[in-house]
Amino acid sequence: NAGVMQNPRHLVRRRGQEARLRCSPMKGHSHVYWYRQLPEEGLKFMVYLQKENIIDESGMPKERFSAEFPKEGPSILRIQQVVRGDSAAYFCASSPPEYGYTFGSGTRLTVV
Amino acid sequence: DQQVKQNSPSLSVQEGRISILNCDYTNSMFDYFLWYKKYPAEGPTFLISISSIKDKNEDGRFTVFLNKSAKHLSLHIVPSQPGDSAVYFCAASPNGGSQGNLIFGKGTKLSVKP
Repeated sequence: NAGVMQNPRHLVRRRGQEARLRCSPMKGHSHVYWYRQLPEEGLKFMVYLQKENIIDESGMPKERFSAEFPKEGPSILRIQQVVRGDSAAYFCASSPPEYGYTFGSGTRLTVV
Repeated sequence: DQQVKQNSPSLSVQEGRISILNCDYTNSMFDYFLWYKKYPAEGPTFLISISSIKDKNEDGRFTVFLNKSAKHLSLHIVPSQPGDSAVYFCAASPNGGSQGNLIFGKGTKLSVKP
């Protein structure tokens, strides 16, 4: 039973480009969470999704960031027109309906 | 406004001794607390948790203590081993630890020296 799979592990984008981060939850997990870790900081909640629904996006920046978890396929975190301040590690976690997070290994985004 | 604070960025301990990692919180609505361990270039892994109805939870070498009146929790690792060297994050939930977001502290880097 594979864990939470995130890809790519490393992503380099130039300022103004788009970044797409993918997360495949563990088998049987229907809830996905995205967190961002800036250098020397803890993890900050961004968004909580279930299949085809955004449950809580209170941590998402209002502009340029969007997330989806379609009926089929991985969850996608999309950052449009990236800026240097978007450079961070982005972690996805998944859980079953009742309890318990499992984190993926993260995507390290570098904006140059 | 940090709701979960880990005031020690780093801690160094000798192998075999006790490691004590501390965490303070400000929001009295938090009712479930978790500790995660993180190695470089990996995601956090769950270590141990405690509900606000308890004051202690133990799992092998790891014990978490909760002092609700002081809004303080601590993680004790005894005996410490070199493989415990990692960054430890304290996290809090207002949802009983089930669905919803977790609030993380900034982490404490533990180094266990042989």
